[in-house]
Amino acid sequence: IAGITQAPTSQILAAGRRMTLRCTQDMRHNAMYWYRQDLGLGLRLIHYSNTAGTTGKGEVPDGYSVSRANTDDFPLTLASAVPSQTSVYFCASSDSGRMWQPQHFGDGTRLSIL
Amino acid sequence: GESVGLHLPTLSVQEGDNSIINCAYSNSASDYFIWYKQESGKGPQFIIDIRSNMDKRQGQRVTVLLNKTVKHLSLQIAATQPGDSAVYFCAENVMYSGGGADGLTFGKGTHLIIQP
Repeated sequence: IAGITQAPTSQILAAGRRMTLRCTQDMRHNAMYWYRQDLGLGLRLIHYSNTAGTTGKGEVPDGYSVSRANTDDFPLTLASAVPSQTSVYFCASSDSGRMWQPQHFGDGTRLSIL
Repeated sequence: GESVGLHLPTLSVQEGDNSIINCAYSNSASDYFIWYKQESGKGPQFIIDIRSNMDKRQGQRVTVLLNKTVKHLSLQIAATQPGDSAVYFCAENVMYSGGGADGLTFGKGTHLIIQP
């Protein structure tokens, strides 16, 4: 089934550790996104990528980095995790080469920083 | 900054009734709106979208209405079923600095509860 795969599904991490959240899509979408979802705050954009080789900052980029080496993969890295990064992280993709296309989401990674 | 918001955090309806979920937006430059459904433990699932040059769009059991004059968006679900229980988000299209990909600004969500 085509879609977005995120890994791991959940993780408990000690503060100060480095962590990479993985995201893979098989829809050949050129644009990909990372959001975090916190209770009472909805989903907020962390980073995005228009196409392989390019990335950009969203609303809440501090403490996170991304890379886009190819079309299918868009990993999100926390270089040194802090408790405020405890959240549910969603990866999304869209066919931004066509106008008015919605974003499609994975099922998220639940991350707890202790 | 400008944001998308929802009028009601929780909506409880009887099974079989119609549901209406409302959303207010404040960015007059937004030209694309999307409704998502999110079930517990899952990611947001696309329901229906509408462009700003339209007032109404219908899908299967769902209708989205857009009133640009008052910057209001609504999602109507006909004959609500138990499987409709979820959190519903509206989202608007916003261009982030640097151009290119269209990030979405989400409202905080409305929890739809279906009573038997």
